Amino acid sequence: DGGITQSPKYLFRKEGQNVTLSCEQNLNHDAMYWYRQDPGQGLRLIYYSQIVNDFQKGDIAEGYSVSREKKESFPLTVTSAQKNPTAFYLCASNMDRVGNTIYFGEGSWLTVV
Amino acid sequence: KNEVEQSPQNLTAQEGEFITINCSYSVGISALHWLQQHPGGGIVSLFMLSSGKKKHGRLIATINIQEKHSSLHITASHPRDSAVYICAYVKNNDMRFGAGTRLTVKP
Repeated sequence: DGGITQSPKYLFRKEGQNVTLSCEQNLNHDAMYWYRQDPGQGLRLIYYSQIVNDFQKGDIAEGYSVSREKKESFPLTVTSAQKNPTAFYLCASNMDRVGNTIYFGEGSWLTVV
Repeated sequence: KNEVEQSPQNLTAQEGEFITINCSYSVGISALHWLQQHPGGGIVSLFMLSSGKKKHGRLIATINIQEKHSSLHITASHPRDSAVYICAYVKNNDMRFGAGTRLTVKP
C-alpha cells in the first residue's frame, strides 16, 4: 500500500549533535512538508518542497535543514543550532500545495538529553 | 492570535452522544481539512472541504465559507473516536493548523 514512512519513531539526541529524520513516500506526490508539533499547539511548518531539488523555508526553519534529491525522499536534519529541538515531528505529502488530500507519516519523537 | 481557532479545546462525552467540534478562521480560503490525530501521534485526513457538507460513516463535516466557520460532527460517538481533531485551512500556498480539540469518549 502507498504511504509515508518516517523513521525513527523515537530518537534521543545529546546537546550539540545533529540528527536526521527520514521521510519516504511512495505516493508519487510532488509536494512534501515537515511540521513540528509542541504540546497544546498547532502544527508549524518547518520546510516544504514542491519539486525535486527545490525547497522553501516555512515559519520556523531556523536550526533545521532539508534536502530533496529524490521525489520520494525529504529528510530533515535538526542541527545543533536549533535551541529547543525536543518536539514531535511530522512529515506530510500531497500532489501539490493546494486543494488535495494531505497524507501524514506516523511522526518522530525527538528528545534532547 | 491563532489564525485558526478551534473549540472546545477539550471535550469529554459518554458513548453514544452527538459530538460537535467547531473551527473558525480569519481569512478567505481555498479548502479546509479536518484531521484526526491518534494518541501515538499519527495523523489521518478525515475530510477536505471547499463548500457545503461531507459525510463519511458517522462523521459529518460542514463549512460556511461566508461565515468562515466549519464544524465536525460525530454521531453515536464511541470510545474509539477518542483522539485529537485538528482543522487546517489552505490558502494559496499555505496551510495553517488549529491547536486541536482533544476528544475523550467514555464507555
